[in-house]
Amino acid sequence: DQQVKQNSPSLSVQEGRISILNCDYTNSMFDYFLWYKKYPAEGPTFLISISSIKDKNEDGRFTVFLNKSAKHLSLHIVPSQPGDSAVYFCAASVGSGRKLIWGLGTSLAVNP
Amino acid sequence: DVKVTQSSRYLVKRTGEKVFLECVQDMDHENMFWYRQDPGLGLRLIYFSYDVKMKEKGDIPEGYSVSREKKERFSLILESASTNQTSMYLCASSSRGEGYNEQFFGPGTRLTVL
Repeated sequence: DQQVKQNSPSLSVQEGRISILNCDYTNSMFDYFLWYKKYPAEGPTFLISISSIKDKNEDGRFTVFLNKSAKHLSLHIVPSQPGDSAVYFCAASVGSGRKLIWGLGTSLAVNP
Repeated sequence: DVKVTQSSRYLVKRTGEKVFLECVQDMDHENMFWYRQDPGLGLRLIYFSYDVKMKEKGDIPEGYSVSREKKERFSLILESASTNQTSMYLCASSSRGEGYNEQFFGPGTRLTVL
């Protein structure tokens, strides 16, 4: 039973356009949400996070939006660059400093 | 610069061998985690530890054990390696502090069991 779902296995976007990656969750107790990026043959690297008391968090080209009523979050990358091509994982936790529950990932391809 | 290191990037073992994967972090983190990543299955948690000498089972602990004798080191043990344990193994660590639940990952170990 997947508590964190990334329903799109892959996404293709043109360079310079917006990439929107989506994530849905079922556990209303989740209070921290994170996005990670992973290149092949490397460990995931942290991108951006949001706590449940906020609905938006921004860091440069990356913005995460949280809609608690819909149990949905999204990661926006603007503008998209070819170096953004990677697998993006959404993760959530109940409480801080605890284990994370992971989605299956979305593979983003940014085409020049 | 924070760092999580794993003992090997690539490892080839034979069925039935005992395999040790070592992970060391230099961030004084309380929490450490072992995952495996397989195509289409995302990151699956094998074992984790919130403190020295403590361990908890993750989602897929069968066939694995762990050891945490020191805060900075977390070892994953495959008691008798099997071909279905061929995978990418990822170690991570995190702080237990309020709000700080970001996990830092090592580069991964690609294990092939023949």
